Amino acid sequence: GENVEQHPSTLSVQEGDSAVIKCTYSDSASNYFPWYKQELGKRPQLIIDIRSNVGEKKDQRIAVTLNKTAKHFSLHITETQPEDSAVYFCAATPDSGGGADGLTFGKGTHLIIQP
Amino acid sequence: DAGVTQSPTHLIKTRGQHVTLRCSPISGHKSVSWYQQVLGQGPQFIFQYYEKEERGRGNFPDRFSARQFPNYSSELNVNALLLGDSALYLCASTSVFEQFFGPGTRLTVL
Repeated sequence: GENVEQHPSTLSVQEGDSAVIKCTYSDSASNYFPWYKQELGKRPQLIIDIRSNVGEKKDQRIAVTLNKTAKHFSLHITETQPEDSAVYFCAATPDSGGGADGLTFGKGTHLIIQP
Repeated sequence: DAGVTQSPTHLIKTRGQHVTLRCSPISGHKSVSWYQQVLGQGPQFIFQYYEKEERGRGNFPDRFSARQFPNYSSELNVNALLLGDSALYLCASTSVFEQFFGPGTRLTVL
């Protein structure tokens, strides 16, 4: 089955700086890679995703890059703000649509934005 | 994601008991997935249901079962509860690829 490794486990950055979280996956059949943000006591919230037919996707201050050859993908957050503080999870699935294979999640990165 | 509802919010059970958790997906979504999130970890996939049929199953014992109803709502059942079943149980409503999570049910087994 799929295995997703996520680094770092904790990331502390100054407000206004950029943050990068990296994930690797094992199953070359994986083709969908979402990122979730989870604040303390709340549900995971989908913030951005990428499919295997593109190498990069951007939405305002967040972007995701995918390298299928190396089997890794990364989340980039620019101009970080205090409200970006949360735990971020990457995930992967070989699903062809519908969620039947389920998402395999990384262990999470606790992002701390220092004022 | 705002449309996914789960009940109850919190639940306390003792070892050996069984529990039923409920989920209603976003209107128009026909697929529901269940995940278990232990404190400090990422969610782990338990089941996926589409059109009332199980289409995917994670690495969980037979004590875990689920079903989906004609209105696409779903129940997750766990029998013979163990202390290790204490976790946040999340339901996700699926639209093609995107999975949107509900607020979860916090289960504590004593």
